[in-house]
Amino acid sequence: GAGVSQSPSNKVTEKGKDVELRCDPISGHTALYWYRQSLGQGLEFLIYFQGNSAPDKSGLPSDRFSAERTGGSVSTLTIQRTQQEDSAVYLCASSRGSQETQYFGPGTRLLVL
Amino acid sequence: GQQVMQIPQYQHVQEGEDFTTYCNSSTTLSNIQWYKQRPGGHPVFLIQLVKSGEVKKQKRLTFQFGEAKKNSSLHITATQTTDVGTYFCAANAGGTSYGKLTFGQGTILTVHP
Repeated sequence: GAGVSQSPSNKVTEKGKDVELRCDPISGHTALYWYRQSLGQGLEFLIYFQGNSAPDKSGLPSDRFSAERTGGSVSTLTIQRTQQEDSAVYLCASSRGSQETQYFGPGTRLLVL
Repeated sequence: GQQVMQIPQYQHVQEGEDFTTYCNSSTTLSNIQWYKQRPGGHPVFLIQLVKSGEVKKQKRLTFQFGEAKKNSSLHITATQTTDVGTYFCAANAGGTSYGKLTFGQGTILTVHP
């Protein structure tokens, strides 16, 4: 497939557990973004990777959230000690370069019970 | 930090009526992008505006970027039921925020046949 893929598509977890969300960007795209979208809300920026530069983590809501991007391709967003307010759709997007069109994945719907 | 206000939050129209959503930034922008998200789907890129006063058209959609590069609008002429969805503006401030998009809250459009 040529698009951005994310896994899992749905995740149900218990409060306090850790979760890992995966994003496979479009091949060759140097920029990768994570957003969070709560029900009926806009997109909240979380983190942005561009090439080999240090990521822009300014949107991460707490130190329970972290992300890495291995080999400039696949990215994993980790949420430790999940809370109910973490329930949302987590969207990943990639682009050829900064300020270019962002292509979004289908998202991971996270539900914390 | 940068704020992006988008109005209205909701818009209900009869099929054939026109629709406009407005986006305002607290700071001058490098560029602005518009995305559409169908119900249950993920955001899909529509267009990017870069130049002051720029106007771009895509069939029944007209996009404008303000002279001061702090506001933008999306106008749909003669809406159709296929236009249903949430329309987001996404602002890029450039500078130290290069590559990072700040999304508006979105305008949810419903079209009654």
